[in-house]
Amino acid sequence: GAVVSQHPSWVICKSGTSVKIECRSLDFQATTMFWYRQFPKQSLMLMATSNEGSKATYEQGVEKDKFLINHASLTLSTLTVTSAHPEDSSFYICSASTGGTYGYTFGSGTRLTVV
Amino acid sequence: GENVEQHPSTLSVQEGDSAVIKCTYSDSASNYFPWYKQELGKRPQLIIDIRSNVGEKKDQRIAVTLNKTAKHFSLHITETQPEDSAVYFCAASNSGGSNYKLTFGKGTLLTVNP
Repeated sequence: GAVVSQHPSWVICKSGTSVKIECRSLDFQATTMFWYRQFPKQSLMLMATSNEGSKATYEQGVEKDKFLINHASLTLSTLTVTSAHPEDSSFYICSASTGGTYGYTFGSGTRLTVV
Repeated sequence: GENVEQHPSTLSVQEGDSAVIKCTYSDSASNYFPWYKQELGKRPQLIIDIRSNVGEKKDQRIAVTLNKTAKHFSLHITETQPEDSAVYFCAASNSGGSNYKLTFGKGTLLTVNP
């Protein structure tokens, strides 16, 4: 079945630094990649939608200059948290799709802790 | 945009009993309704889904029903087991639209007591 590999699974960084999270679709071409953030005991909140080769579409309230998304190929999308602060500490999950009709495949998630 | 409401937020049942979680959605264009099970620190795992051309779908102990007119869908788990304990999320999307993002409900923490 479809597999999405997400790395790293956890990362601790100092306040003010940047962190890059990668999602790769291993056995299919992901037309669209969705990036979610999940705070403890809360639901998945969509941050942005990215289509290969075009700029990401950000949800209301999500700072596009802070959360940089690159979807350079049909198998790789990256999320970079720039100038991270403790309030950015969260669980970040990507989800890839070849089209809504075919469902969504989630990465394993990245636990980001900013100290 | 789409808004998905999910109830209850917590549900505790005895092993062997049934559990029902209900969701409503607002966008009549939504046509794909998956249910996910998420264990602590793990990715959401698809357990069952239903499309708008179907009213009910069953997979062993799990079933989902959809009422398009009322814009609500429900998850039914029968003969619950302790390993069913997790957070369950419903979601909705317009799978044929140009922006087929998933909108999630707030989740239900299911506890199955042995």
